[in-house]
Amino acid sequence: GIQVEQSPPDLILQEGANSTLRCNFSDSVNNLQWFHQNPWGQLINLFYIPSGTKQNGRLSATTVATERYSLLYISSSQTTDSGVYFCAVEGYSGGGADGLTFGKGTHLIIQP
Amino acid sequence: GAVVSQHPSWVICKSGTSVKIECRSLDFQATTMFWYRQFPKQSLMLMATSNEGSKATYEQGVEKDKFLINHASLTLSTLTVTSAHPEDSSFYICSARDPWGANYEQYFGPGTRLTVT
Repeated sequence: GIQVEQSPPDLILQEGANSTLRCNFSDSVNNLQWFHQNPWGQLINLFYIPSGTKQNGRLSATTVATERYSLLYISSSQTTDSGVYFCAVEGYSGGGADGLTFGKGTHLIIQP
Repeated sequence: GAVVSQHPSWVICKSGTSVKIECRSLDFQATTMFWYRQFPKQSLMLMATSNEGSKATYEQGVEKDKFLINHASLTLSTLTVTSAHPEDSSFYICSARDPWGANYEQYFGPGTRLTVT
């Protein structure tokens, strides 16, 4: 099956700093989503981005499908940005009927 | 936007009993729903794909007799953990895709935390 690798596994930054999280995947995808998991476990959907670039406030994401990677940018980090960020993909052969394969996540800590 | 709910949010049960978790799509009809499991400090792993009106498809290594899935309507899938044991304690999350949506985005429920004592 498709493989998903996220880096870095852990990231500690000061408030106000910018960060870049990376997701590499091993095959073509129908679906790529970025999530932030809050302390209660709920997955907050940040972006649906199988290709291209999107922005939402301080967050933006870019997926280069031909090179099989995606980047999540967080600017002017706040302590509330702390948590685990997951990248998840569905391989192209799934046609929308397959579940997502998750990376291991990046654990982000923003210090005041 | 598309909303998926789960019930209960958390449950504690005794070893040997069965627990049912519900996953509902609130504002769309979902022919397919997915069940994931997450152990502490780990990632999410797909357990099974729930198809409305047909049998679920289980991932390799997931016991279909232990994790019974029923998708009896276009808005409801249930996961029953039968004869639960402490090793089944985990966070269970469901997701669904709007088949008439514009893309392949999946919408996730808030999760159910199961503790087996």
